[in-house]
Amino acid sequence: GNSVTQMEGPVTLSEEAFLTINCTYTATGYPSLFWYVQYPGEGLQLLLKATKADDKGSNKGFEATYRKETTSFHLEKGSVQVSDSAVYFCALRNPGGGNKLTFGTGTQLKVEL
Amino acid sequence: EAGVAQSPRYKIIEKRQSVAFWCNPISGHATLYWYQQILGQGPKLLIQFQNNGVVDDSQLPKDRFSAERLKGVDSTLKIQPAKLEDSAVYLCASSLDSQSFTEAFFGQGTRLTVV
Repeated sequence: GNSVTQMEGPVTLSEEAFLTINCTYTATGYPSLFWYVQYPGEGLQLLLKATKADDKGSNKGFEATYRKETTSFHLEKGSVQVSDSAVYFCALRNPGGGNKLTFGTGTQLKVEL
Repeated sequence: EAGVAQSPRYKIIEKRQSVAFWCNPISGHATLYWYQQILGQGPKLLIQFQNNGVVDDSQLPKDRFSAERLKGVDSTLKIQPAKLEDSAVYLCASSLDSQSFTEAFFGQGTRLTVV
């Protein structure tokens, strides 16, 4: 079946530090990959997505590249801000799995001054 | 554009009671999802509708959970009777269609506490 594995949190960084949150997936066929963000007290919001191998999704300074050879979709940001503190979820949708959205367990990011 | 609306935001009930949640998706979105998010875990799909038909309810505990989407718009999710382990945030989401590359938009969720 489909599954998503994320690095455990919380991840605590100082402002302007480099961020990497690892995400790997298991799926047959050609899934689309997503990163969702959940700010405190709010619902899930789509941060970025990639729909085929080697695609790079980007938004608000965050980037992730769809790597089929390593089945990964790591989230990166060059310089984090306090306002980036949130929980980040990696997810996939797979035509071979009925296109339902399968999530990882989430990684909490805390950015301190 | 109005987002996905859910109500109530919070609900506290005793075990063995019943509870219902309501969701109004984004206008024109054919696909509607209910997810259960237990604290510290990622959201888990309970049921997916395409218009008013069920596409996937394989992870819905059908002995106590039920959901409907009459007329292919609003949806309700019911739990009867509730158990302590049902304490979670219940998220509703909608998307234009069920294609793999289509974005799903989420509501703020209903936080259920069963005591």
